[in-house]
Amino acid sequence: EAQVTQNPRYLITVTGKKLTVTCSQNMNHEYMSWYRQDPGLGLRQIYYSMNVEVTDKGDVPEGYKVSRKEKRNFPLILESPSPNQTSLYFCASSLSRTGNSYEQYFGPGTRLTVT
Amino acid sequence: SQKIEQNSEALNIQEGKTATLTCNYTNYSPAYLQWYRQDPGRGPVFLLLIRENEKEKRKERLKVTFDTTLKQSLFHITASQPADSATYLCALSTKGGYQKVTFGTGTKLQVIP
Repeated sequence: EAQVTQNPRYLITVTGKKLTVTCSQNMNHEYMSWYRQDPGLGLRQIYYSMNVEVTDKGDVPEGYKVSRKEKRNFPLILESPSPNQTSLYFCASSLSRTGNSYEQYFGPGTRLTVT
Repeated sequence: SQKIEQNSEALNIQEGKTATLTCNYTNYSPAYLQWYRQDPGRGPVFLLLIRENEKEKRKERLKVTFDTTLKQSLFHITASQPADSATYLCALSTKGGYQKVTFGTGTKLQVIP
């Protein structure tokens, strides 16, 4: 089944404790992206990756890191989480960002609480 | 500053009627616009994409229009059903910046039986 998976689905952590949220897709998609969703603010793009080893900032990259060493994986790293990073996080992928392949497939989401 | 606005008020309509949702944008030159559906606690699901040079796109009971002069997209669901109840999001990508995607905050649609 074609899908985007995220782990963990739920996470409660404390301020300053490094964490990684994994994202994996099995569709051989070139493009992957991370979003956070907050009430009243909607989905906001954190980072995106056009392909392996190619990443760039979205609208809200502060406090986050990403890497793209393999095509299928795009982990989101919070080096020192703070309470304002409490949010619902979504990973998404699409075949490419050129041509006619803009449709994004989203993962199920990771609900992160930082206390 | 760039802004995408969707009606934050929930839209309640009777089953069988046509639902019309609005997406307005300012200070954008969008290359294309997408509509997604999101159910509570789940990731958005792609519905339709329309390009700047297209006026209208259809898919089954769904129709999207795109007016770059008015800076507005309308999303229509005809013969609405209770199963269409969800939050609908519009998303823009600009010329030369296809990689960056900006979402509106969404409109919650409730179809009443």
